[in-house]
Amino acid sequence: EAGVTQFPSHSVIEKGQTVTLRCDPISGHDNLYWYRRVMGKEIKFLLHFVKESKQDESGMPNNRFLAERTGGTYSTLKVQPAELEDSGVYFCASSRDRAPGANVLTFGAGSRLTVL
Amino acid sequence: AQKVTQAQTEISVVEKEDVTLDCVYETRDTTYYLFWYKQPPSGELVFLIRRNSFDEQNEISGRYSWNFQKSTSSFNFTITASQVVDSAVYFCALSGKGAQKLVFGQGTRLTINP
Repeated sequence: EAGVTQFPSHSVIEKGQTVTLRCDPISGHDNLYWYRRVMGKEIKFLLHFVKESKQDESGMPNNRFLAERTGGTYSTLKVQPAELEDSGVYFCASSRDRAPGANVLTFGAGSRLTVL
Repeated sequence: AQKVTQAQTEISVVEKEDVTLDCVYETRDTTYYLFWYKQPPSGELVFLIRRNSFDEQNEISGRYSWNFQKSTSSFNFTITASQVVDSAVYFCALSGKGAQKLVFGQGTRLTINP
């Protein structure tokens, strides 16, 4: 089966611009997650979708970040307007099971965002 | 609050050496899960192992082995007879029962030199 796919692999934008990252999960995976790794630090949770519903968005840093998953398939993460501290690698992951805590997530290769 | 600490930021060894990556965790949950993921140069995080808090048996998979010790809150990862292909960033992660999110350590960059 195809893995988790993320677009773009790398985006370079100016401060104040808008960027939209896209994630295509594995087909049939109801759970979709966004994580972020900033400046070589730990990977941090952003939010979790179950199908099209936001189950947990406690990790979203502020209202400049908007995630959507229309139709419960692919997801987008929009940053508007982008700030310097938003630079990092944004990972998407998906899983089929709904066993809280025990889920094994399949991750994509990440989208590297550089804000200048 | 949950926390994972990987104190080793970078490790560099010569091929065929054994190497251990340390992972120490903090949690108040009695039921929790521990994971190791590998991030090769291609970028994606590759799942290696999941261990639940009630199973303290050590695990061996080929050249890889994991030592889970609840008494010291550690879940260390050992690569025996390392190979250049083992070069990657390795992440340890934790999740609690009922939680759908992983708490990651900062990662250890492992370089195996020929």
